[in-house]
Amino acid sequence: GNSVTQMEGPVTLSEEAFLTINCTYTATGYPSLFWYVQYPGEGLQLLLKATKADDKGSNKGFEATYRKETTSFHLEKGSVQVSDSAVYFCALSDLSGGYNKLIFGAGTRLAVHP
Amino acid sequence: NAGVTQTPKFQVLKTGQSMTLQCAQDMNHNSMYWYRQDPGMGLRLIYYSASEGTTDKGEVPNGYNVSRLNKREFSLRLESAAPSQTSVYFCASSVYRGDEQFFGPGTRLTVL
Repeated sequence: GNSVTQMEGPVTLSEEAFLTINCTYTATGYPSLFWYVQYPGEGLQLLLKATKADDKGSNKGFEATYRKETTSFHLEKGSVQVSDSAVYFCALSDLSGGYNKLIFGAGTRLAVHP
Repeated sequence: NAGVTQTPKFQVLKTGQSMTLQCAQDMNHNSMYWYRQDPGMGLRLIYYSASEGTTDKGEVPNGYNVSRLNKREFSLRLESAAPSQTSVYFCASSVYRGDEQFFGPGTRLTVL
């Protein structure tokens, strides 16, 4: 079945460092791909998305490119801030089985220190 | 717009007790979802409602029931709570199947 695998955390960085969080997926067809962010004590917020191969999603300095050949959707940011500390979830949309669902990775906790 | 709201925010139950988690959205979305979040497992779909008047099982429906009361509201009921249902529960909504989903703030449930 469809699945999402994320790099394990926590990821600890200093402010202004470069961020990469790896995400790979297994899917039949061509799902949409998403990155969600969860700040402490809050629900998930959509960070960015891509709906087809080679699409690049971007928001708030974060970017991710839908790579069909490597089945990847890695999240990157050039210079992280303390306020980026959160848990990041990679997800894909799965319309198989006759119903819609988002399949999530396990999440990667990011901690940014001043 | 309040977006997706959930009540209560926290709840402690004893094994065997029942309760209903409430969810409402004011974005005129067609589809609504209930997920549970457990450490190291991401989010898993419990039930979903593609449109008003329909509900379907997700990945982990056992021990739960749902009601789509109207287009705005989608409730999740635990008839006889078990410790394995200790989790954080999130409600979400979307316009169409496959679109991005918008999440509520969550309900943290502990079953003793």
